[in-house]
Amino acid sequence: GQQVMQIPQYQHVQEGEDFTTYCNSSTTLSNIQWYKQRPGGHPVFLIQLVKSGEVKKQKRLTFQFGEAKKNSSLHITATQTTDVGTYFCAGPTNAGKSTFGDGTTLTVKP
Amino acid sequence: NAGVTQTPKFQVLKTGQSMTLQCAQDMNHEYMSWYRQDPGMGLRLIHYSVGAGITDQGEVPNGYNVSRSTTEDFPLRLLSAAPSQTSVYFCASSKGIAASSYNEQFFGPGTRLTVL
Repeated sequence: GQQVMQIPQYQHVQEGEDFTTYCNSSTTLSNIQWYKQRPGGHPVFLIQLVKSGEVKKQKRLTFQFGEAKKNSSLHITATQTTDVGTYFCAGPTNAGKSTFGDGTTLTVKP
Repeated sequence: NAGVTQTPKFQVLKTGQSMTLQCAQDMNHEYMSWYRQDPGMGLRLIHYSVGAGITDQGEVPNGYNVSRSTTEDFPLRLLSAAPSQTSVYFCASSKGIAASSYNEQFFGPGTRLTVL
């Protein structure tokens, strides 16, 4: 079935370093969403991308949607300890459901 | 607005017991979903509903039942608990379906279930 793959599974960085997570779909997506889950918490919506090649920024976070609408990335510039958590991408399946990637867990060493 | 609420927050069951996880939202959202989250496996869709009276299966529906008699409530029933159902369960709601422009999902705080 339709899958959304995320890499890497884990990323350890020193505070101040940059971080990127990638999301790849086996099929073209009508949109893609990103969520953040803090340790022990629940997923919280960050952003949705809809257009081919779209780039959106939220302070130090940059989100991109690929030209073919089959991949996406989240880049964090100069990580802080508050960025710790697991970042998920999610896309709609042909059946109208949401499918989530397995997430990238970011740890930041002060 | 309380958003999405879930009860209980923690639950321990013995194999074979049944129980219902409660989920309610006060945002008048049509679309509601149940996910389970196991370590390193992300969120897997159990069941979902596109409106009152309409439910459908997700990726991992076996062993679970749902119903949607009102827009607000979407309970998840475990019929006969098994150790493999030990997990964290999240309920989520959104204004529209996944492919729409209004599909931001709001998640509840989760229920941490252990089956012995």
